[in-house]
Amino acid sequence: GDSVTQMEGPVTLSEEACLTINCTYTATGYPSLFWYVQYPGEGLQLLLKATKADDKGSNKGFEATYRKETTSFHLEKGSVQVSDSAVYFCALRTAGGTSYGKLTFGQGTILTVHP
Amino acid sequence: ETGVTQSPTHLIKTRGQQVTLRCSSQSGHNTVSWYQQALGQGPQFIFQYYREEENGRGNFPPRFSGLQFPNYSSELNVNALELDDSALYLCASSLGLAGTPGETQYFGPGTRLLVL
Repeated sequence: GDSVTQMEGPVTLSEEACLTINCTYTATGYPSLFWYVQYPGEGLQLLLKATKADDKGSNKGFEATYRKETTSFHLEKGSVQVSDSAVYFCALRTAGGTSYGKLTFGQGTILTVHP
Repeated sequence: ETGVTQSPTHLIKTRGQQVTLRCSSQSGHNTVSWYQQALGQGPQFIFQYYREEENGRGNFPPRFSGLQFPNYSSELNVNALELDDSALYLCASSLGLAGTPGETQYFGPGTRLLVL
């Protein structure tokens, strides 16, 4: 079945440091890939997405590139801020079958950014 | 544009009881999905409704059931609650046929259920 593996956390960085959160996936078919962010006490917010190989999703300074050859979708940011502290989830969706539109999530990576 | 809303925000139940959680989808969205997020874990797909019909289900027992209404709002019902049902329950809505490449699911803030 489909699965998503994220790098183990938590990740602790100083403000303005570079961020990379690794995400690899296993999927039947051709998935769409997503990064969601969850701030304390809140639901999930879509951060960025990519729907085909070599697509780059970007938002709020975050980027991720859909790499079909390595089945990866790593999240990157060149300079993190304290306000980026949150839990980040990588997810995939494959269409069709009996779970049409189902999102499969990784376990999440906690990011803490210190001033 | 009103986002996805859920009620109640928090709930405490005892083992064996039944619970109903509610979700109002974003305006114009006709697909609703429910997810269970245990503490420290990623969300797990429970089921999805498209135009009032269930059209996908995850690995959850039949005591988890749902409904979608003509206005596309939705309910999640859980019978015979168990301690392991304690979790954050998230509702997500989307526009158009579920699973199309351009579809984005928008999540509500969740209902936190504690089973004692």
